Amino acid sequence: QSVLTQPPSVSAAPGQKVTISCSGSNSNIGNNYVSWYRQLPGTAPKLLIYEDNKRPSGIPDRFSGSKSGTSATLGITGLQTGDEADYYCGTWDNSLSGGVFGGGTKLTVL
Amino acid sequence: EVQLLESGGGLVQPGGSLRLSCAASGFTFSSYSMSWVRQAPGKGLEWVSAISGSARSTYYADSVKGRFTISRDNSKNTLYLQMNSLRAEDTALYYCAKDPKLRCSIDYWGQGTLVTVSS
Repeated sequence: QSVLTQPPSVSAAPGQKVTISCSGSNSNIGNNYVSWYRQLPGTAPKLLIYEDNKRPSGIPDRFSGSKSGTSATLGITGLQTGDEADYYCGTWDNSLSGGVFGGGTKLTVL
Repeated sequence: EVQLLESGGGLVQPGGSLRLSCAASGFTFSSYSMSWVRQAPGKGLEWVSAISGSARSTYYADSVKGRFTISRDNSKNTLYLQMNSLRAEDTALYYCAKDPKLRCSIDYWGQGTLVTVSS
């Protein structure tokens, strides 16, 4: 059981938009920055969003992040078949004094 | 270019020990916190441990506390994870990760090294 809650799966058609939610509490999301990662099959995770809504260089603006209270959201527009992957949110938990991840969301581009 | 290269994984019996290493390059290693994250086969990511750049601060997941020890050698640009009293549930791909703010704010990941605990 993950500390952060993500939907197990989401799907949308090519070209459409999808959002992935990440729900936590005041001990984690509510008081710490959230990062988002994409993991393509058989590869290591890759940073998509850091500090809630910032994109590293090289990440297209199709990817966006937002946060409100104890929940964070990853948005992906202009979906491509290459976006099919597992997506994870992560942050620090002050009560646990450790990092926490969501259980991951599998994105299917129909 | 940031590179993180893990090594030291393998097959070990329950109760055994392993030491993982992570050779870092492409950044000033001593200036950055580092973390270990694992992924059991077919499962999600699990944060394991983190260490500050100076090694003065270390943190552990409850699942490994008292059994695993994170350390680093800044003169060798290398991160370590000493794993003792290994259990079947420790079987996973272990990723080394650069974690600039020591707050699970990982910006770069290695490719991972596989640890299998089985008799």
